[in-house]
Amino acid sequence: GAVVSQHPSWVICKSGTSVKIECRSLDFQATTMFWYRQFPKQSLMLMATSNEGSKATYEQGVEKDKFLINHASLTLSTLTVTSAHPEDSSFYICSARDRTAYGYTFGSGTRLTVV
Amino acid sequence: ELKVEQNPLFLSMQEEKNYTIYCNYSTTSDRLYWYRQDPGKSLESLFVLLSNGAVKQEGRLMASLDTKARLSTLHITAAVHDLSATYFCAVVKNQGGKLIFGQGTELSVKP
Repeated sequence: GAVVSQHPSWVICKSGTSVKIECRSLDFQATTMFWYRQFPKQSLMLMATSNEGSKATYEQGVEKDKFLINHASLTLSTLTVTSAHPEDSSFYICSARDRTAYGYTFGSGTRLTVV
Repeated sequence: ELKVEQNPLFLSMQEEKNYTIYCNYSTTSDRLYWYRQDPGKSLESLFVLLSNGAVKQEGRLMASLDTKARLSTLHITAAVHDLSATYFCAVVKNQGGKLIFGQGTELSVKP
């Protein structure tokens, strides 16, 4: 089946630094990638939608200059958390529409801890 | 604005008992999904429901969809400990194919 590989699985960084999270679709072309954030004991909140070759669309309340999304190819989308702060600590998950007419494939998630 | 609401949010279950999780959504959508999430893990797809009256079953889990009532149910039959996890329903927002998630139902099956 469709696989989305997400890296890293976990990362610890210092306040003020930037962190890049990658999501790769391994056996299909992901024209659209969705990025979610999940705080402990909460649901998944959609942050942004990225389409290959165009600018990402951000949900209301999500700072586009802080969460940089790049979708330069049909198999790779990246999320960069810039100038990270402890409140950015969260579980970040990417998702792509897969080859079926209605399926979504999720990455394995990245646990970000900002200290 | 599309809203998705699940209840209950927490469910402590006894083994071998039957329970139902409910998922209501606020606007018309043509697809509804159920996912399972184990602690510290990503989402595992359980069911995709595509039309009114759709029913799908896998093992002890059965999901159904009533698009007129904007309601989906996830029924658990004869619960076992392995089913302990958080279950999410999600609905497609027609514009752009965005998935909007319910709050999640944390299920704990105790002997």
